[in-house]
Amino acid sequence: RKEVEQDPGPFNVPEGATVAFNCTYSNSASQSFFWYRQDCRKEPKLLMSVYSSGNEDGRFTAQLNRASQYISLLIRDSKLSDSATYLCVVPLYGQNFVFGPGTRLSVLP
Amino acid sequence: DTGVSQNPRHKITKRGQNVTFRCDPISEHNRLYWYRQTLGQGPEFLTYFQNEAQLEKSRLLSDRFSAERPKGSFSTLEIQRTEQGDSAMYLCASIEGFGTEAFFGQGTRLTVV
Repeated sequence: RKEVEQDPGPFNVPEGATVAFNCTYSNSASQSFFWYRQDCRKEPKLLMSVYSSGNEDGRFTAQLNRASQYISLLIRDSKLSDSATYLCVVPLYGQNFVFGPGTRLSVLP
Repeated sequence: DTGVSQNPRHKITKRGQNVTFRCDPISEHNRLYWYRQTLGQGPEFLTYFQNEAQLEKSRLLSDRFSAERPKGSFSTLEIQRTEQGDSAMYLCASIEGFGTEAFFGQGTRLTVV
């Protein structure tokens, strides 16, 4: 099993829709998690941190399920500007930040 | 601007040439990571430093790749005898401490022709 797995998509959704992505991780010792957003040919930028059960920031909600070892990202009321690739990141203690392959989202007018 | 700078932003080189990239992290951050990213893939870990010590290298990193972080400040990544398969975006990330967020530079896009 890969350390971090994501559905690559693409997810094509209409403006205003609610969309959710999942990310599964293999290391049960991981304590913190991150969602990054990456626009085409740009560097990843932090979207949300998840340190406990979840986090919410406006239209974005991240939830952590430790028992099943996954984190989810929910985007409500999708905007055209939300179109990007969403990367799940799991730091491994004493090691590196492991990125998932990313989930591509296209919000359509 | 995240405060992490990478140079050059773009590099085109002929196969077989050596190239060197530089990353200047956020000054108070002691961890520095190098990643490689190809189109449609997530960033792939190459190596990381805590201060000047290189603590881990990816098994995927061939002997042609070497990285340094003298004095625990900026870092360089050198690729010797470049191959076309080395064409990618090389990203540097600066992290204050374990478990905290990573700040990325804008990357160096390498094209090997």
